[in-house]
Amino acid sequence: EVQLVEFGGALVQPGGSQRLSCAASGFTFSSYWMSWVRQAPGKGLEWMANIKGDGSEEFYVDSVKGRFTVSRDNPYNRLYLQMNSLRAEDTAVYYCARISWSGANWYFDLWGRGTLVTVSS
Amino acid sequence: EIVLTQSPGTLSLSPGERATLSCRASQSLTRSHLAWYQQKPGQAPRLLIYGVSSRATGIPDRFSGSGSGTDFTLTISRLEPEDFAVYYCHHSVSSPFTFGPGTKVDI
Repeated sequence: EVQLVEFGGALVQPGGSQRLSCAASGFTFSSYWMSWVRQAPGKGLEWMANIKGDGSEEFYVDSVKGRFTVSRDNPYNRLYLQMNSLRAEDTAVYYCARISWSGANWYFDLWGRGTLVTVSS
Repeated sequence: EIVLTQSPGTLSLSPGERATLSCRASQSLTRSHLAWYQQKPGQAPRLLIYGVSSRATGIPDRFSGSGSGTDFTLTISRLEPEDFAVYYCHHSVSSPFTFGPGTKVDI
């Protein structure tokens, strides 16, 4: 089955760190750009980061640059998000998403169910 | 940074009615870099439309996308009960790849 499953969400103290994982199955993981998208409680979607299939390129939203790092382990079909210096405003459900292309356009065609990170003391 | 605004914030309609959702970009989106997603409570988003007007696999033809430049529209021709949800537009022109704030379609 083609799917993405996130895990690693937790209650974290402000200033702390957490690593999220996303397990991919049912497709050739290394062929796809992947992404992290988050959603604060009751709010809209916020794109966080993209990473190329071979891990050679990454993009981040400014609010997490220098604090969050996206990485991947292709032999294990895993995507990661290392989150450091966490703030209350990072509290959200974090989704991993697969990126597909149509010509020069790309879009998120497969989503996981998300994992909740709560930053609070 | 490209900012997407969506209107209206909430659209109150009944099953069988037509829904027209708007997404406006702060600058022109080149090469059709716009997609639409549907999200129901407690669920992950689902891709509806990509490249402005291409329906994703399995999406019914009552969903259609149109537009160009800075103005884009998602139309649901006849609302079904399962269509009541929040709809987001998203651009893929350049980083940051932002989403619009969403339009809630409710009864």
